[in-house]
Amino acid sequence: LAKTTQPISMDSYEGQEVNITCSHNNIATNDYITWYQQFPSQGPRFIIQGYKTKVTNEVASLFIPADRKSSTLSLPRVSLSDTAVYYCLVVSSSTDKLIFGTGTRLQVFP
Amino acid sequence: DGGITQSPKYLFRKEGQNVTLSCEQNLNHDAMYWYRQDPGQGLRLIYYSQIVNDFQKGDIAEGYSVSREKKESFPLTVTSAQKNPTAFYLCASSLIAGRENEQFFGPGTRLTVL
Repeated sequence: LAKTTQPISMDSYEGQEVNITCSHNNIATNDYITWYQQFPSQGPRFIIQGYKTKVTNEVASLFIPADRKSSTLSLPRVSLSDTAVYYCLVVSSSTDKLIFGTGTRLQVFP
Repeated sequence: DGGITQSPKYLFRKEGQNVTLSCEQNLNHDAMYWYRQDPGQGLRLIYYSQIVNDFQKGDIAEGYSVSREKKESFPLTVTSAQKNPTAFYLCASSLIAGRENEQFFGPGTRLTVL
């Protein structure tokens, strides 16, 4: 299973764009990249999923370069309510399991 | 409202006792999952079930047991054999098991062993 590496923590201010990069050097051909958000004492919530290039939805964008060895979650104009832990996952085609790392703790300041 | 419910939200038990955590979903999802989360850590998979009457061990199944007698329900029993059961337990479900299927999580149960 491809292992992911992402920063332990990041700080930002309200209104700024936040980019969280995840490294997954051993990603396999059929693996997908998925991001979840978790607030304290709650279950994670799906944010976005992609295979290659760029995916955008109403809350975020996901950029995946051609070699797919990394990906970047982009949160436009963050607010205080975006303070949470963000998990990058590589979802393997060979298993139904999700492997959660320790995630990136994003703190948004006013 | 469709969703996943877990009860209770907080649970205390004495060492040596078995305890069962409830998980119910009304999303008509086939697959259900149980995770454990320790402070400052990510989630670790305990058990998962792709369909009724079938389940598989995850990465940390020792000391836990599950059943899947109904599509809507996937209870987790933490047995006395689990050496360090104090943790935050999360249940999830997905339409079908597989990488492209988003997992929906419940609010969690925080178990404390006294």
